[in-house]
Amino acid sequence: NAGVTQTPKFRILKIGQSMTLQCAQDMNHNYMYWYRQDPGMGLKLIYYSVGAGITDKGEVPNGYNVSRSTTEDFPLRLELAAPSQTSVYFCASSSIDRNTEAFFGQGTRLTVV
Amino acid sequence: GENVEQHPSTLSVQEGDSAVIKCTYSDSASNYFPWYKQELGKRPQLIIDIRSNVGEKKDQRIAVTLNKTAKHFSLHITETQPEDSAVYFCAAKTDSWGKLQFGAGTQVVVTP
Repeated sequence: NAGVTQTPKFRILKIGQSMTLQCAQDMNHNYMYWYRQDPGMGLKLIYYSVGAGITDKGEVPNGYNVSRSTTEDFPLRLELAAPSQTSVYFCASSSIDRNTEAFFGQGTRLTVV
Repeated sequence: GENVEQHPSTLSVQEGDSAVIKCTYSDSASNYFPWYKQELGKRPQLIIDIRSNVGEKKDQRIAVTLNKTAKHFSLHITETQPEDSAVYFCAAKTDSWGKLQFGAGTQVVVTP
């Protein structure tokens, strides 16, 4: 099992550019999450999804968009990159079964210059 | 929505001593409380979790306690070792939406 796979691992963007961070899981998990982690800081929830076709905002959704057309994939879109979006982005997933572990991808380190 | 507070933000302990990290949560509907360890440059990984119908859980040198009435839970690490140095995050989750909310993290440094 690959678990949660994120691509790319690293990316440098110029201000105003757009990109999509990819996240895929092969565990048939219903719940998927996107977090950002600024240097030395905690994990802030950007968006989450409880199943295909259903997404909701977390604490810091501004500047991001998501979609969930399949159970496996949960891409995160940055439309107009800003320096404030420089961060490490983690995708995670967990089962719809009650009270189970969330598994994290290896992260995407994004720098906006 | 749920708010999880975590203290302290940094914790320095001598090797062999114990470390305690405390978290409080606001949503009384929360019923799952995992703890994650994140080593430098790596992804968070689950080390222990507790469910709302249990007051305490132990796994070798780590233990977690939960007080639902007071809405707080704690991580205890005994006989600390240098490899315990990392950032530890608590989290809380409710069934209704499955949203997993994290505390701000505790940087634990174990000095030999």
